[in-house]
Amino acid sequence: ETGVTQTPRHLVMGMTNKKSLKCEQHLGHNAMYWYKQSAKKPLELMFVYSLEERVENNSVPSRFSPECPNSSHLFLHLHTLQPEDSALYLCASSQDGVSNQPQHFGDGTRLSIL
Amino acid sequence: SQQGEEDPQALSIQEGENATMNCSYKTSINNLQWYRQNSGRGLVHLILIRSNEREKHSGRLRVTLDTSKKSSSLLITASRAADTASYFCATDLHNNNDMRFGAGTRLTVKP
Repeated sequence: ETGVTQTPRHLVMGMTNKKSLKCEQHLGHNAMYWYKQSAKKPLELMFVYSLEERVENNSVPSRFSPECPNSSHLFLHLHTLQPEDSALYLCASSQDGVSNQPQHFGDGTRLSIL
Repeated sequence: SQQGEEDPQALSIQEGENATMNCSYKTSINNLQWYRQNSGRGLVHLILIRSNEREKHSGRLRVTLDTSKKSSSLLITASRAADTASYFCATDLHNNNDMRFGAGTRLTVKP
């Protein structure tokens, strides 16, 4: 039990579909993150939210749209994805979004784009 | 952009042996963290070391940091088959709170 839960664990979608990934943290943290993990590549930071406000958007294409309705929940809305978007999408949280705190990760959503 | 780079990319050892993984980075940092990832799972935090620290221990784990060489090492002593996983270092940038991860070292411990 990591304290960070991601659903679904696996998702297969076509390029024209719209889907959403969900992340929920039960740790009382104030910061949440989306990462993309592709095979044999470093983990890529996509978005950072602190106290429900987006503080980082690392040049992510607009077909990825994050939403943070409260400090416990984070969504990643997907629309018109490309085959290269197939990857493991990891959500993480930390106490306050500063670098001297550990991040707690969920087990990810394995996304496959047909 | 990537900040930390782990070396080697893959490491295979026998149970009971020690495993050493290295991380190099390019710019000055405030903190460096090591994480572990089992296949199909998320990352798990192992150790955080601050830029003014040189060594930290946690159980069978020992982390060193050499800021003059911009490098860190993770030593796992008396390895076990259950230590088989990928290990990542993550560094912040001195004026930025974001963490940047390397591509990881894949450790295989044979029983």
